[in-house]
Amino acid sequence: DGGITQSPKYLFRKEGQNVTLSCEQNLNHDAMYWYRQDPGQGLRLIYYSQIVNDFQKGDIAEGYSVSREKKESFPLTVTSAQKNPTAFYLCASVADRTGNEQFFGPGTRLTVL
Amino acid sequence: QKEVEQNSGPLSVPEGAIASLNCTYSDRGSQSFFWYRQYSGKSPELIMFIYSNGDKEDGRFTAQLNKASQYVSLLIRDSQPSDSATYLCAVKDSNYQLIWGAGTKLIIKP
Repeated sequence: DGGITQSPKYLFRKEGQNVTLSCEQNLNHDAMYWYRQDPGQGLRLIYYSQIVNDFQKGDIAEGYSVSREKKESFPLTVTSAQKNPTAFYLCASVADRTGNEQFFGPGTRLTVL
Repeated sequence: QKEVEQNSGPLSVPEGAIASLNCTYSDRGSQSFFWYRQYSGKSPELIMFIYSNGDKEDGRFTAQLNKASQYVSLLIRDSQPSDSATYLCAVKDSNYQLIWGAGTKLIIKP
């Protein structure tokens, strides 16, 4: 089955730690996105990538980093510089930047202890 | 700052009635408009998209777009309890990025 997978589903982090969230897709999509969602709020764009080995900052990139070494994979690292990382993180992909439907993974809920 | 505005709700509608969800946007250059449904704790899923003025129907759902007034709406006919969710409006800007509203929580009362 084609789709997007994210892992882990739940993640707990101690203050000062870096953590990496996984996102993998087998839809052969060029573009991939990372969003953050806080309670009662819409999705805010962290980073996006339209092609392998290239990525762009979104609206709230500070404290996050990404890589796009393979078309299928777009991991997100939440660094210790991100002061309020507790949130629901969503990865999405679309065939290309003009595509109409963003497909979402199931999400990772990150909690800082 | 490009913005997409939605009433946060909750919007309570009796089962079988029509639910009407509204969204306004600030960027006149926007070309495509999307409605996503998100159940609590889950990821969003696309219901419909529209890019031409007027109505677009898909089953019980109708999207309406008025570019002159910069609003887009979603009508859900014959509302079912399973329609209870948060509905997110998203607008694709001239840079092909989606700008998201905060969502409207819809509650269908049996």
